[in-house]
Amino acid sequence: SYELTQPPSMSVSPGQTASITCSGDKLEDKYACWYQQKSGQSPMLVIYQDSKRPSGIPERFSGSNSGNTATLTISGTQAMDEADYYCQAWDSSTVVFGTGTKVTVL
Amino acid sequence: QVQLVESGGGVVQPGRSLRLSCAASGFTFSSYGMHWVRQAPGKGLEWVAVIWYDGSNKYYADSVKGRFTISRDNSKNTVYLQMNSLRAEDTAVYYCARAACGSYDSDCPIDYWGQGTLVTVSS
Repeated sequence: SYELTQPPSMSVSPGQTASITCSGDKLEDKYACWYQQKSGQSPMLVIYQDSKRPSGIPERFSGSNSGNTATLTISGTQAMDEADYYCQAWDSSTVVFGTGTKVTVL
Repeated sequence: QVQLVESGGGVVQPGRSLRLSCAASGFTFSSYGMHWVRQAPGKGLEWVAVIWYDGSNKYYADSVKGRFTISRDNSKNTVYLQMNSLRAEDTAVYYCARAACGSYDSDCPIDYWGQGTLVTVSS
């Protein structure tokens, strides 16, 4: 079965850039999206179709997808961006989530 | 606004059954696919199943195939998850979520999520 692998955790200082990777075989042939889940809350879509932002998502969130890796970038990270982030793609009519990355802002 | 409200969670013994419901409002329910996604305590997201807008196609994760059944009633704006032969490893918060499309599309994200309902499988 298809797998998406993310680093378990990362830390970033306020105002700096956080780059979260998602690795999967030939991932560039699929569309990647990203979800943010804050503690005790439901997930929320922040990037879809590799790089598009839903309405209401700040411009500091951006995405890319090339080769075997999709990347979510948070520019000018704020304390409110502290959360778990999950990538997601489709494989043979089923959904695959990444392993998740806990982003700590300190 | 889009609202998804899950119900039916609780404590159940291994091997027993449980049915979850998700009541949708704020959008044309019959035009969208619907997912169930679960999250075990302290763990990541795990996709469970999807049903397309008219119920004609359903797909499942290997971990639940043959035990869980997703269905929908477009007249009641409700999607269901029938869970049979439950195991301890099925313990999780179960989220109902909307697909941003009616049927399979490789670029179709999940655009709305419910608050989740907790299922605990324990003797």
